[in-house]
Amino acid sequence: DVKVTQSSRYLVKRTGEKVFLECVQDMDHENMFWYRQDPGLGLRLIYFSYDVKMKEKGDIPEGYSVSREKKERFSLILESASTNQTSMYLCASSLLAGGTKPYEQYFGPGTRLTVT
Amino acid sequence: QKEVEQNSGPLSVPEGAIASLNCTYSDRGSQSFFWYRQYSGKSPELIMFIYSNGDKEDGRFTAQLNKASQYVSLLIRDSQPSDSATYLCAAEMNRDDKIIFGKGTRLHILP
Repeated sequence: DVKVTQSSRYLVKRTGEKVFLECVQDMDHENMFWYRQDPGLGLRLIYFSYDVKMKEKGDIPEGYSVSREKKERFSLILESASTNQTSMYLCASSLLAGGTKPYEQYFGPGTRLTVT
Repeated sequence: QKEVEQNSGPLSVPEGAIASLNCTYSDRGSQSFFWYRQYSGKSPELIMFIYSNGDKEDGRFTAQLNKASQYVSLLIRDSQPSDSATYLCAAEMNRDDKIIFGKGTRLHILP
């Protein structure tokens, strides 16, 4: 079974703090993704990575950065947290596209971040 | 803008009946489609994927794909209260590793 874990289920931070969200997958997947999910807005892609040290911006990268130093680990960083970053953050992983195997995404349990 | 559209619901279905969830997508080049189930406060869980035109069955679930109409559906037979959740439709776009998600349809199974 694919397992994607996230460092915290719930997190409360103050405005201006630097926040680290960690994600680890154990299936040797090339791709890793960070989304945020807000009511009425659905899942929105923040960043994704298709290899170690590689990253690409998603739809809403502003205010976020990422780090992927090891294949199994993908970190999301909020450099200076703001109240509009209060959200559910979801990490996902998948195989690389282009082969014959499916590359559906598997999600971690999510981190509900509140910025006060 | 590549999009996946779903009716937000809620869709209310009596227990034991067939629930039918629908989705349309904008990118004619999309090849693979996914259905995720998401319980309130939880993360999405993959339940089905489909690549070829026609039907794919897995237990009580059937995914249907019509590429000419750019239409994907999910049928849930013998609906149970535990099927009450939000169902997300997703499509891969041009084999670029990303998946575009719809905003989901809330399904409520009435006991």
